[in-house]
Amino acid sequence: AQSVTQPDIHITVSEGASLELRCNYSYGATPYLFWYVQSPGQGLQLLLKYFSGDTLVQGIKGFEAEFKRSQSSFNLRKPSVHWSDAAEYFCAVGAGNTGGFKTIFGAGTRLFVKA
Amino acid sequence: GAVVSQHPSWVICKSGTSVKIECRSLDFQATTMFWYRQFPKQSLMLMATSNEGSKATYEQGVEKDKFLINHASLTLSTLTVTSAHPEDSSFYICSARDSMSGSGELFFGEGSRLTVL
Repeated sequence: AQSVTQPDIHITVSEGASLELRCNYSYGATPYLFWYVQSPGQGLQLLLKYFSGDTLVQGIKGFEAEFKRSQSSFNLRKPSVHWSDAAEYFCAVGAGNTGGFKTIFGAGTRLFVKA
Repeated sequence: GAVVSQHPSWVICKSGTSVKIECRSLDFQATTMFWYRQFPKQSLMLMATSNEGSKATYEQGVEKDKFLINHASLTLSTLTVTSAHPEDSSFYICSARDSMSGSGELFFGEGSRLTVL
C-alpha cells in the first residue's frame, strides 16, 4: 500500500532564508506526487505536481520540488522564504489510474517564518 | 483554476441532530469527489470516495450509516453526519477531480468546521 512520510512536524526558518521540506513515499510503481499548502482554517491549494518527465518541477509562489526515484523522495524547496509562506504543507501521493485513484496525504509539516 | 465550494463553512449543532454539508464543483464536472476529515494539527484522513450516480466507497473504519454521502449530479456531493455527537466535531474537507482532465489534481473546498455541543 502506498504511504507518505513527512519527517518534520514543524520547521522554523528566517525570512529570506532557503527552505527544504522533506517527503518520502512508498509505492510500487511510478507515483503521482503532489505538494499542497493549507492556511489555517482553509482548504488546500496545489503548489506543484509530478507525473512524469523532468524530475525537477516548478510550482506556484516560487516553490520547486525534485523527484528522486532512488531515494523515494519528493522534497519541496524555496530559495527565499517570505513571511506569507507560513502555513501547513502536505505531500501527497496518488496511486492507481487517473480514472479512479486515491490521493494519500502525509502528516504535514508546519512552517513557521521568523522575522 | 477550477473552483470547489463547500457550504456551510462552519456549523454548530446539538448532539443527536443531523448536519448536511454540500460540496459543489463550480466550473467543471466531477464524477468523483472525495471527503476528508481533519483533526486539529493533523493530516487529512480520507473518509470516502463519492461517485456520481452510484454508492460511495468508504474507507475502512468509517461508518457508512453515520456519514451518508450522496453524489446526485456531476457538480454536487453531500455529506450528512447523522445523529451527530461531540466526537464528530471536526474539520471536513471535500475535493474533486475534473472529469475531463487527466491531471489527477484535486481541487479542494474551503472546508466545513462542525462543532457538536
